[in-house]
Amino acid sequence: KQEVTQIPAALSVPEGENLVLNCSFTDSAIYNLQWFRQDPGKGLTSLLLIQSSQREQTSGRLNASLDKSSGRSTLYIAASQPGDSATYLCAVSPYSGAGSYQLTFGKGTKLSVIP
Amino acid sequence: NAGVTQTPKFQVLKTGQSMTLQCAQDMNHEYMSWYRQDPGMGLRLIHYSVGAGITDQGEVPNGYNVSRSTTEDFPLRLLSAAPSQTSVYFCASSNPALTSYGYTFGSGTRLTVV
Repeated sequence: KQEVTQIPAALSVPEGENLVLNCSFTDSAIYNLQWFRQDPGKGLTSLLLIQSSQREQTSGRLNASLDKSSGRSTLYIAASQPGDSATYLCAVSPYSGAGSYQLTFGKGTKLSVIP
Repeated sequence: NAGVTQTPKFQVLKTGQSMTLQCAQDMNHEYMSWYRQDPGMGLRLIHYSVGAGITDQGEVPNGYNVSRSTTEDFPLRLLSAAPSQTSVYFCASSNPALTSYGYTFGSGTRLTVV
């Protein structure tokens, strides 16, 4: 059974710092990995998706990397801002020849960016 | 705006009552799924559907029913609500035909069973 772990569970940084969130998974046979952001009381917003054949994806100040063989992904946030404060979730899809229908989530990292 | 719409946003039920959580998407996505989110447990898959007329169980299906009569709608039915079903429920959809498809989530239904 796939297990996804996110470390740390919570992180507090001063505004302007660069930071890294970590995600590890036990089964390397994944189809893709997706990073989400969740604000308190809200739904999930997709940030980045990395296919199993890719090494990284970038969007603005966000960069996600994937090392499938070691079962690890990192989300790098550059020049953090108070508006980045949220819980960040990592989720993996199992490999399937026809795509994938199931996400296994980590429990998230709660990020606080202090002004 | 295109996306996943969940109703209601909030609901309080008494133990033993039944209800249906609605989920609709207008992106013509084949895949739809329901998750529940509980403190300390993360999101867990309840049921999923890979197309109209096709549904299957996820990790925590007990106490829930689903059906998929159309591509757009995927309702989740609580048969006899229990306090253990107090949770936040999220519906999600995706299109596996897209090369870089990902999941789109609704804003959630916060359910309390008393």
